[in-house]
Amino acid sequence: KAGVTQTPRYLIKTRGQQVTLSCSPISGHRSVSWYQQTPGQGLQFLFEYFSETQRNKGNFPGRFSGRQFSNSRSEMNVSTLELGDSALYLCASSLVPEGAKGTEAFFGQGTRLTVV
Amino acid sequence: AQKITQTQPGMFVQEKEAVTLDCTYDTSDPSYGLFWYKQPSSGEMIFLIYQGSYDQQNATEGRYSLNFQKARKSANLVISASQLGDSAMYFCAMRENTGGFKTIFGAGTRLFVKA
Repeated sequence: KAGVTQTPRYLIKTRGQQVTLSCSPISGHRSVSWYQQTPGQGLQFLFEYFSETQRNKGNFPGRFSGRQFSNSRSEMNVSTLELGDSALYLCASSLVPEGAKGTEAFFGQGTRLTVV
Repeated sequence: AQKITQTQPGMFVQEKEAVTLDCTYDTSDPSYGLFWYKQPSSGEMIFLIYQGSYDQQNATEGRYSLNFQKARKSANLVISASQLGDSAMYFCAMRENTGGFKTIFGAGTRLFVKA
């Protein structure tokens, strides 16, 4: 069974550019969440999608957006990149609806974005 | 508001000994889940163990056990018989069971296992 796949693994962009990151969840998982990880701020929640609908959003500016497709694959977009957006972006997928035991999130290996 | 606190930035343990990583949390939701993840230097987050707020017994998964003290709002991870491969960052996380899968993470504890 394939795990969560994130592409690309590494990315270098310049300030002002925009970037799109992709996440393919585990087959059958309908929930996808995105996180930003930096040394200074740790792991911060960006947003969560379930069945193509955004159900939760973290405290990030509107430059950060996402979407989920009918096959549960998700994309995250960051426009007008800033140096502070350099981070490891992690995607996680989950299987069962909320409240059930063992609804752990399985993470991909992340996309390391460097903004120069 | 949700909050997770890990007060130990770094911990050292001798190989084959047990170690406890601390985690306290705060939530007003009576239904929530607590998780521990391991992040090796490769960056991938690896799920270790889960404890539901209504679970009566502490969760165990192999060498990992979760010391759940609900009244104190603590969910400490105990690793028994530490191995060199256990050296990594460990994150405590919580998800409230209303409003979706928003999960918040603590700042993490870096564990160093000494030979």
